[in-house]
Amino acid sequence: GAGVSQSPSNKVTEKGKDVELRCDPISGHTALYWYRQSLGQGLEFLIYFQGNSAPDKSGLPSDRFSAERTGGSVSTLTIQRTQQEDSAVYLCASSLSGGSPGNTIYFGEGSWLTVV
Amino acid sequence: AQKVTQAQTEISVVEKEDVTLDCVYETRDTTYYLFWYKQPPSGELVFLIRRNSFDEQNEISGRYSWNFQKSTSSFNFTITASQVVDSAVYFCALVYSSYKLIFGSGTRLLVRP
Repeated sequence: GAGVSQSPSNKVTEKGKDVELRCDPISGHTALYWYRQSLGQGLEFLIYFQGNSAPDKSGLPSDRFSAERTGGSVSTLTIQRTQQEDSAVYLCASSLSGGSPGNTIYFGEGSWLTVV
Repeated sequence: AQKVTQAQTEISVVEKEDVTLDCVYETRDTTYYLFWYKQPPSGELVFLIRRNSFDEQNEISGRYSWNFQKSTSSFNFTITASQVVDSAVYFCALVYSSYKLIFGSGTRLLVRP
């Protein structure tokens, strides 16, 4: 697609439920990233995919968080047993390749998650 | 340690004023890249500029200009003749490995008519 596409735009969920956030990167981009933006923490790196592999998952805050990428394209970020502290904007981004320093990283509009 | 500091939390100006957003970075790497992104109320991070550590030339794009100075580890962003549409949060970021962006805390710019 023309840009990074994320869905849903907004999600309100009850504490304890699971949620899935979807990201469709720019066509041809092999690198995909998830970031989280919350009031107290700013913008935090969560996970990086190169193709379908995730060489860096170091930013995932707990084992309730997981992500996968299939076909070298769409990625899903899953949060199990959501907690109120998971409320944040989850931003997906992509770039041509994660192996080339300085490739421009393009972001989507984010998925606003509210856990009540 | 890799770090980006945007000391200005919020700036308010009147339309047509010039405004400079400050960014100071820390890195031990000799090769790195610096970015500026704009985040309007819609939430999307809009890419503005990328600069590598070997290119200290200043850059101008319309009303936007950037001043990169390695001697002071700064990468400041100036908007000339600001407009209401420039109101947004602006983030400076550093890439020190091939993919991981380290963001500053952002500067919220409010341009009043």
